[in-house]
Amino acid sequence: GQQVMQIPQYQHVQEGEDFTTYCNSSTTLSNIQWYKQRPGGHPVFLIQLVKSGEVKKQKRLTFQFGEAKKNSSLHITATQTTDVGTYFCAGIKAAGNKLTFGGGTRVLVKP
Amino acid sequence: GAGVSQSPSNKVTEKGKDVELRCDPISGHTALYWYRQSLGQGLEFLIYFQGNSAPDKSGLPSDRFSAERTGGSVSTLTIQRTQQEDSAVYLCASSISSGNTIYFGEGSWLTVV
Repeated sequence: GQQVMQIPQYQHVQEGEDFTTYCNSSTTLSNIQWYKQRPGGHPVFLIQLVKSGEVKKQKRLTFQFGEAKKNSSLHITATQTTDVGTYFCAGIKAAGNKLTFGGGTRVLVKP
Repeated sequence: GAGVSQSPSNKVTEKGKDVELRCDPISGHTALYWYRQSLGQGLEFLIYFQGNSAPDKSGLPSDRFSAERTGGSVSTLTIQRTQQEDSAVYLCASSISSGNTIYFGEGSWLTVV
């Protein structure tokens, strides 16, 4: 079955630094979505990428969809304490309809 | 309300008892998911409903778990003969159709003692 892997599982970042988290699928995806879950909360949608090579930005967050539509990345610049949480990617395989989540990257920010 | 509603928000039950968790999706959403999340862990897929299609039950961990969705709207997740390892947050999510953004409820926190 379809598998979506995220690395790293944990990310400890000094406030102000940049980091990137990666998402890799075992199958080609029709789209990929990113969600953020704050501690004690539920996952909240951030963005969806559909096109091969697509890049989207939300303030300090940059999302990219790979050319082969099998991987994606989230890059955060100048990390702030408000960035703490778990970031999940989720993909739908081409010709599929079910959203499959990766295991998430848990981000801790050191002030 | 405009969001996904889940009840109860918290449930403490004795080992061996049955529990029912309810999910009210956003009105008009045809796709509905159930996930389980243990403390500090990722989202474990349980079951997926899409319109009138047969549900994808591939994530249900054992035959003690079942779910139904009546009238294409409200869904109930039932856990029979609960075990301590069933303790987790059970999250429901819905989307307007497959492939679209999904919206999560606040979750039902289940503790089996």
